[in-house]
Amino acid sequence: DAKTTQPNSMESNEEEPVHLPCNHSTISGTDYIHWYRQLPSQGPEYVIHGLTSNVNNRMASLAIAEDRKSSTLILHRATLRDAAVYYCILRDVPNNDMRFGAGTRLTVKP
Amino acid sequence: DAGVTQSPTHLIKTRGQQVTLRCSPKSGHDTVSWYQQALGQGPQFIFQYYEEEERQRGNFPDRFSGHQFPNYSSELNVNALLLGDSALYLCASSRRARGSNQPQHFGDGTRLSIL
Repeated sequence: DAKTTQPNSMESNEEEPVHLPCNHSTISGTDYIHWYRQLPSQGPEYVIHGLTSNVNNRMASLAIAEDRKSSTLILHRATLRDAAVYYCILRDVPNNDMRFGAGTRLTVKP
Repeated sequence: DAGVTQSPTHLIKTRGQQVTLRCSPKSGHDTVSWYQQALGQGPQFIFQYYEEEERQRGNFPDRFSGHQFPNYSSELNVNALLLGDSALYLCASSRRARGSNQPQHFGDGTRLSIL
C-alpha cells in the first residue's frame, strides 16, 4: 500500500490559518487523497478528499502538488474545536478500506 | 438522522474470553468496516462487510470474525482474548453503490479492556 508521512504534531494560534502537510511520494495514479480528523473521545470524521485538483468545502481546503507527491490540508481560521489528530490517507479506487497512519496532532492555542 | 451507533460503549473482559461488539450503520448505508485503534495510534483496518459477506480483510488473525445482517447492521466477534486486544474498536459505514470513494462515517467506538 502507498504510504503517507505526516509530522507528529503541530501548533497553531486561534483564528490563524493552519497548513497541515502530507508526503505521499509512492502515490499511484488511481489513489485519492483523503483527510479525516479525530477529536478527543470521538471516532474519525471525514474532512475532504481529492484526486488532482485543489478542493474546497465548508470545513477546509485541500491543495495537491502538481506531481501529486504531496498535499496540504488548509484550515483557514483555526478554532479551539479544531484541535484533533489529522490523518492523511491514500485510498485506491477499487478498495473500500482505509489505511491510517499515526496522523498529526494539532494543538490550537487561545 | 442517526449516525453510526455502536454498543456497548465500554466493556471489560478477561484473557481467554470471547466478546461481541455491535454496530448499526448510518441510515441509507450498506457497507460496514471495522477498525482497531490502540492507544496513541491510528485506526487499523480489520475487515469490511457488504451484502452480508466479508469483502476485504486486514492483517488480523481469524480470532477476529464478523457478521452482517440483512438490515446492514454488523457484529465483530473476538475469541480467545489477549491482553493486546485492549483497544478502541471503531465501526464505519458507507454507501457502496455510489462508488468506493464515498466518505466513511464512523461511530464513537467501543472501548474494550482486557484484564
